[in-house]
Amino acid sequence: EVQLVQSGAEVKKPGESLRISCKGSGYSFTSYWISWVRQMPGKGLEWMGRIDPSDSYTNYSPSFQGHVTISADKSISTAYLQWSSLKASDTAMYYCARHTWVSYYMDVWGKGTTVTVSS
Amino acid sequence: QSVLTQPPSASGTPGQRVTISCSGSSSNIGSNTVNWYQQLPGTAPKLLIYSNNQRPSGVPDRFSGSKSGTSASLAISGLQSEDEADYYCAAWDDSLNGHVVFGGGTKLTVL
Repeated sequence: EVQLVQSGAEVKKPGESLRISCKGSGYSFTSYWISWVRQMPGKGLEWMGRIDPSDSYTNYSPSFQGHVTISADKSISTAYLQWSSLKASDTAMYYCARHTWVSYYMDVWGKGTTVTVSS
Repeated sequence: QSVLTQPPSASGTPGQRVTISCSGSSSNIGSNTVNWYQQLPGTAPKLLIYSNNQRPSGVPDRFSGSKSGTSASLAISGLQSEDEADYYCAAWDDSLNGHVVFGGGTKLTVL
């Protein structure tokens, strides 16, 4: 079964760093991109960026460029989303998704990781 | 403000046909295919339609998609109560090194 398993919920304070993960299984991890999508409470979906695990090439939405870092370790089929200094406005659900580079659709989604940033 | 424009809400009664529109520009829908995602309450999004009008395995043929120029639409026929969800259109945008853009989402209510 193809699946993406995301790390558990996080509660952090403003200014702290954080890395959440997304582990793929059941398929060739380097044959698809991994994208990250943010959903703030009660709001819509926002694409943050993607990584090609085969060569770690990334590109980001203009809205998120410089605010987060996406990385991957293909040896363990895992992608990461990280922040160096969290803000309260980073409170959201974060989804990873398997992203085909043909037609650019996201066909397999993780269940999401809730990140809460509060003092 | 989302790059792709969707109506915030739509509604219908069981058995009806409803459509949800999605409007973009030449750099996204005008140049690339459109995908649709369904998000049931409290769950992760699910791919519903890809490449404008293709259904992944397991998606009922009650769901269909189309695209014309810089606009797209999702149609749901034979509406069922379990179709009550948020629906999002998305497309690749060729500007600024390329990125995915989403619509703001349409909340479908089955009356």
